[in-house]
Amino acid sequence: TQLLEQSPQFLSIQEGENLTVYCNSSSVFSSLQWYRQEPGEGPVLLVTVVTGGEVKKLKRLTFQFGDARKDSSLHITAAQTGDTGLYLCAGEGPRDRGSTLGRLYFGRGTQLTVWP
Amino acid sequence: DSGVTQTPKHLITATGQRVTLRCSPRSGDLSVYWYQQSLDQGLQFLIHYYNGEERAKGNILERFSAQQFPDLHSELNLSSLELGDSALYFCASSVWTGYNTDTQYFGPGTRLTVL
Repeated sequence: TQLLEQSPQFLSIQEGENLTVYCNSSSVFSSLQWYRQEPGEGPVLLVTVVTGGEVKKLKRLTFQFGDARKDSSLHITAAQTGDTGLYLCAGEGPRDRGSTLGRLYFGRGTQLTVWP
Repeated sequence: DSGVTQTPKHLITATGQRVTLRCSPRSGDLSVYWYQQSLDQGLQFLIHYYNGEERAKGNILERFSAQQFPDLHSELNLSSLELGDSALYFCASSVWTGYNTDTQYFGPGTRLTVL
């Protein structure tokens, strides 16, 4: 059983459309991180959210951390072909696991494909 | 380029064999993490070293071991390899203080294929 559930698993959309990816858990995290991974490469950090209710924007990407620090969402406005990739959420240091800061629990990821 | 280097990039070996994966962290980072990524399990945390000492263990098999050397590079040793060990193995590094949110920088990975 995954500690973090991501949905949808696959997303295929046209350029210009908006989309939202969800990351849910029953655990409370010290922080929630979003990564993007290209085929054959390591994950690259996009953002870290720490405070419940926090919203961070990175150009056309908007990240939100749930009030209870158990879930997060990633919204992309006007998707571009360059947004294609695997989007991973990762929770750090869930309190109910007695986990140390630094240890990350990853979701399975959302594979996004944006068509021209 | 994250600044984390991993060698080799690809490794093909047979069942029952032993291999060593190497990771050099970013300059100044004292922490090294190892992760395994497979199609069925996703990215799974294996082990965390800080300044040469083991800090946390995850889903690491007894056939696997790791260490971090005085120069801070790390090695992941996989022995008695099985077909199911075929996966991407990533190393990540960070400053890790244990008190603040950590930012991990991932290397390009080693793709292990066990035949």
